[in-house]
Amino acid sequence: GQNIDQPTEMTATEGAIVQINCTYQTSGFNGLFWYQQHAGEAPTFLSYNVLDGLEEKGRFSSFLSRSKGYSYLLLKELQMKDSASYLCAVRLPDSNYQLIWGAGTKLIIKP
Amino acid sequence: DTGVSQNPRHKITKRGQNVTFRCDPISEHNRLYWYRQTLGQGPEFLTYFQNEAQLEKSRLLSDRFSAERPKGSFSTLEIQRTEQGDSAMYLCASSDRADGYTFGSGTRLTVV
Repeated sequence: GQNIDQPTEMTATEGAIVQINCTYQTSGFNGLFWYQQHAGEAPTFLSYNVLDGLEEKGRFSSFLSRSKGYSYLLLKELQMKDSASYLCAVRLPDSNYQLIWGAGTKLIIKP
Repeated sequence: DTGVSQNPRHKITKRGQNVTFRCDPISEHNRLYWYRQTLGQGPEFLTYFQNEAQLEKSRLLSDRFSAERPKGSFSTLEIQRTEQGDSAMYLCASSDRADGYTFGSGTRLTVV
């Protein structure tokens, strides 16, 4: 079976840094995605990793280690608007780009 | 073209009724996906179209569910004889490349 694990909920302070972890055990791997989802809204694309290492995009960075089946999303200089769920998703090989999703991590930002 | 459009945004229906949702993808995207999401869970894949061809369908999709994309542009998802367990957010996404989709705002279905 396919399994993607993320913490259910995290709390952080405005202006701080937070790291959201994702581990996966899947039958194959062809890329890992992070999406942000505000309550009641659709997911929006944040990042894509297919090779090991760190991808930086403004305040958000994403890291991948394929040998460990592990990724993290790093959010810096947290703002109140970053309060949302963060979803990790893995694409399987030969899957017509279908994604297998984690349940998401709800991030709560406090002033 | 401002993105993926889904209609309606909300639908409340009585158990046993049929419902149909529409998705208009980004016009140059040839791939279209339907997902279902319940509260506190990630999206679950339902079905996938490349142009007008339905290439993949999840085992989650019972015979009560059918999807079409007749001209390779917009798509419809129909649920017949709705059940309370069908209550969820139905998300449509489109893509023309490997590194990510664009989602619509979703249709929230409530079956009472």
